[in-house]
Amino acid sequence: DADVTQTPRNRITKTGKRIMLECSQTKGHDRMYWYRQDPGLGLRLIYYSFDVKDINKGEISDGYSVSRQAQAKFSLSLESAIPNQTALYFCATSLGGSGKETQYFGPGTRLLVL
Amino acid sequence: ELKVEQNPLFLSMQEGKNYTIYCNYSTTSDRLYWYRQDPGKSLESLFVLLSNGAVKQEGRLMASLDTKARLSTLHITAAVHDLSATYFCAVDESSGANSKLTFGKGITLSVRP
Repeated sequence: DADVTQTPRNRITKTGKRIMLECSQTKGHDRMYWYRQDPGLGLRLIYYSFDVKDINKGEISDGYSVSRQAQAKFSLSLESAIPNQTALYFCATSLGGSGKETQYFGPGTRLLVL
Repeated sequence: ELKVEQNPLFLSMQEGKNYTIYCNYSTTSDRLYWYRQDPGKSLESLFVLLSNGAVKQEGRLMASLDTKARLSTLHITAAVHDLSATYFCAVDESSGANSKLTFGKGITLSVRP
């Protein structure tokens, strides 16, 4: 079984709809991250969480919100989806402690906003 | 604001030849990570470089870090088709336990016969 899972894997929605992307991990990591990937732009950080009670905005948080329901679960919501939120979304996790650990990525969610 | 630049953005490589790709960044950091992404897939961790002069090798890939020059290089020895992918570097500008990565735009490598 995959250590970091994302649901759904693909999603088509319409402008103005609220949608939620979910991330779960079995790695026991305390840090979780949401990124979006757009062609030619690399990965950009949306939100990150260092533990259940800690939520931080990333580079591009406008139009997004998150919820850390448990150590193993971190959800990303688009409150009112717009077409320029069409992208590939990745969840990632890392182990706390030194802060020098690499991040482990989920398989991604491909989102299309019409 | 930390900026991470990778160049070139696309590289066509001939099988069997050696190549070097670069990652430079704009602020002090001694934490740099390399990832690989195959088309339509997720990112896979390749190397973690945590000090000036750090060198890591895995198969035909060797990564190094020069924190004074704010530069990491990824050297490819005798390129093979299996190395065709997009390679990202990511830099953590924090010095404490709460790391946050800034990614470059990625370099797409294509190995031709």
